[in-house]
Amino acid sequence: SQQGEEDPQALSIQEGENATMNCSYKTSINNLQWYRQNSGRGLVHLILIRSNEREKHSGRLRVTLDTSKKSSSLLITASRAADTASYFCATGHANAGGTSYGKLTFGQGTILTVHP
Amino acid sequence: NAGVMQNPRHLVRRRGQEARLRCSPMKGHSHVYWYRQLPEEGLKFMVYLQKENIIDESGMPKERFSAEFPKEGPSILRIQQVVRGDSAAYFCASSPRTASGYTFGSGTRLTVV
Repeated sequence: SQQGEEDPQALSIQEGENATMNCSYKTSINNLQWYRQNSGRGLVHLILIRSNEREKHSGRLRVTLDTSKKSSSLLITASRAADTASYFCATGHANAGGTSYGKLTFGQGTILTVHP
Repeated sequence: NAGVMQNPRHLVRRRGQEARLRCSPMKGHSHVYWYRQLPEEGLKFMVYLQKENIIDESGMPKERFSAEFPKEGPSILRIQQVVRGDSAAYFCASSPRTASGYTFGSGTRLTVV
């Protein structure tokens, strides 16, 4: 089954607007992370939210997590043209002993285009 | 602290040759992960290693692919007898522990001709 499916696949907005991307997953998680990728580059870690957290902020980023719905959202406020990139959610799981397991499973990503 | 270093950045191999991709994790990071990315797609997990140990290789094709992370030196992803379908970007990431963000390298773009 596919973990970390993002929605929408592509999002096009004007500078200054807010951008919201959603991520759904199927199995229980230990943590959920969001990453950004500029074309042709490696991924950059944005934020990590643990399964016992509901909301987290970092600058213009706001992440929510609803474990009952197995979903997360990433909100970028006051978007800038430089925010244009692909955004991926990634889920981390717990091993049989309940401790976190290092491997992350990535979704297909949302392509965000911010027009100046 | 130079970050995760991958080399080469670009690698061209003819069908049937071997490809060796190198990854030096961030200083202090003992967990290394390899992912493959096809154009316009997400990252597909390949293998998770800690020093001298393979923790999870569930994403590695059973044949032709191998990975190692020796006590000294970089992690190596080796692809033997490459085929056109191996053409992709291969990313390495490292982390200091589990349940922490990854630091990614810039990737190696493998082209098989």
